[in-house]
Amino acid sequence: AQTVTQSQPEMSVQEAETVTLSCTYDTSENNYYLFWYKQPPSRQMILVIRQEAYKQQNATENRFSVNFQKAAKSFSLKISDSQLGDTAMYFCASSGYALNFGKGTSLLVTP
Amino acid sequence: GAGVSQSPSNKVTEKGKDVELRCDPISGHTALYWYRQSLGQGLEFLIYFQGNSAPDKSGLPSDRFSAERTGGSVSTLTIQRTQQEDSAVYLCASSLVTGTDTSNYGYTFGSGTRLTVV
Repeated sequence: AQTVTQSQPEMSVQEAETVTLSCTYDTSENNYYLFWYKQPPSRQMILVIRQEAYKQQNATENRFSVNFQKAAKSFSLKISDSQLGDTAMYFCASSGYALNFGKGTSLLVTP
Repeated sequence: GAGVSQSPSNKVTEKGKDVELRCDPISGHTALYWYRQSLGQGLEFLIYFQGNSAPDKSGLPSDRFSAERTGGSVSTLTIQRTQQEDSAVYLCASSLVTGTDTSNYGYTFGSGTRLTVV
């Protein structure tokens, strides 16, 4: 079975600072994809960043980047220059039969 | 449509009643997924459709839950004889990729239906 673990239920960061959200996963697939989704209070899940497992280079999308450690099965999300609008639930997910999600990290960005 | 549309946005129902939740995916997306998000929990996979077929229904929590998809488009999730533990946000998503591994490019989600059983 595929599992995704997010060990930080809640995190807080000040505006303009950098924060890292942790995620570990377990999969038996040889080729797979990893994702970070953001869920603001509007409930809509928004894709933040996607990483292909066979690519060693870490994915980057503007202020969002990942640290992908394939051997350790670790996939953390770094948010630089945090903004108030980054306040949301963040879910890590792995591909497979269907996307498998972790339980999420609630991120609060404070002024 | 431009995005995944779900209706109703919120639904309050009495225990024992049946409810229908609707999902209208992005036009042309052949794969459609239903997830359940309970308070403080992650997303629990329920079922997915490839076209009008549901290859695996084992994620449905009980036989009170059923889903169908018609015309390769709109899907309906039906919960019969609702129980309080069914209270959750039900999220629908769609994707263009088909095949045995349909999640490679991620999904586009709707805003969900918040179901409250009283």
